[in-house]
Amino acid sequence: GDSVTQMEGPVTLSEEAFLTINCTYTATGYPSLFWYVQYPGEGLQLLLKATKADDKGSNKGFEATYRKETTSFHLEKGSVQVSDSAVYFCALNIYNFNKFYFGSGTKLNVKP
Amino acid sequence: EPEVTQTPSHQVTQMGQEVILRCVPISNHLYFYWYRQILGQKVEFLVSFYNNEISEKSEIFDDQFSVERPDGSNFTLKIRSTKLEDSAMYFCASKGLAGGTDTQYFGPGTRLTVL
Repeated sequence: GDSVTQMEGPVTLSEEAFLTINCTYTATGYPSLFWYVQYPGEGLQLLLKATKADDKGSNKGFEATYRKETTSFHLEKGSVQVSDSAVYFCALNIYNFNKFYFGSGTKLNVKP
Repeated sequence: EPEVTQTPSHQVTQMGQEVILRCVPISNHLYFYWYRQILGQKVEFLVSFYNNEISEKSEIFDDQFSVERPDGSNFTLKIRSTKLEDSAMYFCASKGLAGGTDTQYFGPGTRLTVL
């Protein structure tokens, strides 16, 4: 079946450190891949997405590249800030109008 | 920027009571969804709705759940007789026209607490 697996959290980093949150997927078709972010007390916000292999999504300094050969969509940021502290969800969507499959979320804590 | 809104932000109810969670999707969107997130767990799909009918539902979405688009703007989720295990954050999402982005836009959520 279709699923998303994310690295377990929490991830604790110091400000300006490099961030990687791993995400791998299993899909029966050709998925679009997403990263959503959930700040404390808020809902899910789209961070970035990629719709086909080798596409790179980017936003607010975050990047993720759709790797079909490794079925991965790892999230990276070169220099994290305290304000990046949140829960990050990897997600996929197989058919254009149907449901999303979410990973379990990775909590990021950034310390000053 | 248009956004999905949800009310109330927090609902507390007694077990066995009916609750209605309300959502106002983005105005020109045609596809609507409900998801839930039990504390500390994955966000799970409940139901999708298009053209005034359910297009897909998960096994979680049993006979106690129903959805409705009572007018041109609201999209509601009703839980007929709440159980303790229905306590979760419920997210509404909407999506635009065919051929456009496949991004679903999520509301801020309603936290449901069943006592």
